[in-house]
Amino acid sequence: DAGITQSPRHKVTETGTPVTLRCHQTENHRYMYWYRQDPGHGLRLIHYSYGVKDTDKGEVSDGYSVSRSKTEDFLLTLESATSSQTSVYFCAISPGPLLAKNIQYFGAGTRLSVL
Amino acid sequence: AQSVAQPEDQVNVAEGNPLTVKCTYSVSGNPYLFWYVQYPNRGLQFLLKYITGDNLVKGSYGFEAEFNKSQTSFHLKKPSALVSDSALYFCAVRDGTGTASKLTFGTGTRLQVTL
Repeated sequence: DAGITQSPRHKVTETGTPVTLRCHQTENHRYMYWYRQDPGHGLRLIHYSYGVKDTDKGEVSDGYSVSRSKTEDFLLTLESATSSQTSVYFCAISPGPLLAKNIQYFGAGTRLSVL
Repeated sequence: AQSVAQPEDQVNVAEGNPLTVKCTYSVSGNPYLFWYVQYPNRGLQFLLKYITGDNLVKGSYGFEAEFNKSQTSFHLKKPSALVSDSALYFCAVRDGTGTASKLTFGTGTRLQVTL
């Protein structure tokens, strides 16, 4: 999966608890993304980063925050998990905005269950 | 806002027969189109992309896609399906504006190839 490691791969947590998912890349790509995958919705963008400490919201950002203190790590935090955040979360990376390099590469995913 | 529609939740085809997975898009400006495949419990893998040029794009594993601007479509095709092609397929679009390389995904089409 293109030098991308997501951790943990599986997590079960309780409503109201904070949860942090980690994405680590070894490709030195500038762009990193967090998506969630739900049946009937495909993949939806939560947040993305276009450089260290540079992040922006995606289409489903409510209830999520992100941080990127190093090029290789992009963290997704659920401040207070809710059952609606039960999903499979994917991290993706991309080398840059140039169209020829515009391919996103995906990690293996984290399956999160909020009880 | 850009959007992608995959009108079929599932496509069934016999091994050896040609397959088509449909995708239509809506975007302001020039469309940049992608197909990804997802095998069970894996992340998405890039198959092919259309940026500009020839309307028939060839990709990995014998897949190709035909871009049709007048019909705003980007259908995925393969002349002879294999059982191993069974997977979930996603179409995605990026518009030509901005630099964040953000993609909008369709809801996915499950391809089932049977003997």
